[in-house]
Amino acid sequence: AQSVTQPDIHITVSEGASLELRCNYSYGATPYLFWYVQSPGQGLQLLLKYFSGDTLVQGIKGFEAEFKRSQSSFNLRKPSVHWSDAAEYFCAVGAPGTYKYIFGTGTRLKVLA
Amino acid sequence: KAGVTQTPRYLIKTRGQQVTLSCSPISGHRSVSWYQQTPGQGLQFLFEYFSETQRNKGNFPGRFSGRQFSNSRSEMNVSTLELGDSALYLCASSGGTSGGYNEQFFGPGTRLTVL
Repeated sequence: AQSVTQPDIHITVSEGASLELRCNYSYGATPYLFWYVQSPGQGLQLLLKYFSGDTLVQGIKGFEAEFKRSQSSFNLRKPSVHWSDAAEYFCAVGAPGTYKYIFGTGTRLKVLA
Repeated sequence: KAGVTQTPRYLIKTRGQQVTLSCSPISGHRSVSWYQQTPGQGLQFLFEYFSETQRNKGNFPGRFSGRQFSNSRSEMNVSTLELGDSALYLCASSGGTSGGYNEQFFGPGTRLTVL
């Protein structure tokens, strides 16, 4: 069965510091992989996605993620965090052709001024 | 282009009642998915509709049902509400053609509180 694990429930970083949010997945083949961000009172916004090809993908708002097949991971990174990045981040897995997406439980990011 | 809209945004019900939530997808999108979001469980997939047909279903009891109309608008219904049904219900729409990937666009959600 597909599953997604985000081991960090909360992360606090200082503004300007680098950020890495972890995501591990379980799936028999290479799934579609996504990172979404949710600000308070908002729906989810897609940050970036991976289907195939280059394992380092660039997204919006200066985020990037790296797919590592050997580790079944798809970690999200940002070199310098801004206060406006404070939000909840979700990693998701989509099995090609199923139209069903499995989300992790989310990581809430707090940014210190 | 207008985004995904969900109505109502907030709803308070009591145990045993039923509730209907509505989702209007982005114009031209034929696939609508529903998710339940709770603090402890994150987002859990409820079901997905495409052209009025349910294509996928998550692991929820039969009290949760949905439907899609010919204009792609979708409704989900929860009967015999329980306290544990309190959650944010998110709707997402996508192009939804067969195979491959279609980006999902999420609405702001309906916050359901069951007392």
